[in-house]
Amino acid sequence: AQKVTQAQTEISVVEKEDVTLDCVYETRDTTYYLFWYKQPPSGELVFLIRRNSFDEQNEISGRYSWNFQKSTSSFNFTITASQVVDSAVYFCALRGDSGSARQLTFGSGTQLTVLP
Amino acid sequence: IAGITQAPTSQILAAGRRMTLRCTQDMRHNAMYWYRQDLGLGLRLIHYSNTAGTTGKGEVPDGYSVSRANTDDFPLTLASAVPSQTSVYFCASSDGGGVNYGYTFGSGTRLTVV
Repeated sequence: AQKVTQAQTEISVVEKEDVTLDCVYETRDTTYYLFWYKQPPSGELVFLIRRNSFDEQNEISGRYSWNFQKSTSSFNFTITASQVVDSAVYFCALRGDSGSARQLTFGSGTQLTVLP
Repeated sequence: IAGITQAPTSQILAAGRRMTLRCTQDMRHNAMYWYRQDLGLGLRLIHYSNTAGTTGKGEVPDGYSVSRANTDDFPLTLASAVPSQTSVYFCASSDGGGVNYGYTFGSGTRLTVV
């Protein structure tokens, strides 16, 4: 069975600090897909990024960056110069490529609070 | 606006009652899913449907049933609600198994069973 672990339940930072949200995954599949979603206080789920297992290039999008390392089965998410609007719950998720693993499995989420 | 519509937005339900949560998408996505979100547990898959006419069980299917009579609709039924089914329920859909274009989520149904 596949599994996603987000060990950080809650993180608080002061505005403009950098913050990294950790994500560790387990899967038996050689092909898989990793996702990050943001859930602001309004409750909807906002898609942030999708990465394929065969593409280990790190990605940067504005203040957001993602570090994908297959050697450590990690897909960490960094917010640079955090802002109050970044306050949300962030979910890491995994989709394998075989059998029941072809469903999206979520981690338990990290509640990020950015203080002014 | 294309997307997923869930109804109701919220509901308080007496234990033992039957309830159907509605989910409709207008993107013609093949696959649809139901998740429940509970504090500290993230989102857990209840049931899914890879295409109209087929359904499958997810991680926490007990007490729930689904049907997929057509592409657009994927209702979730609680036959006899229990307090442990108090949760926020999200419906989602995907095309290409979520690989090419990701997953689209509805805005959720907050259900309280008393």
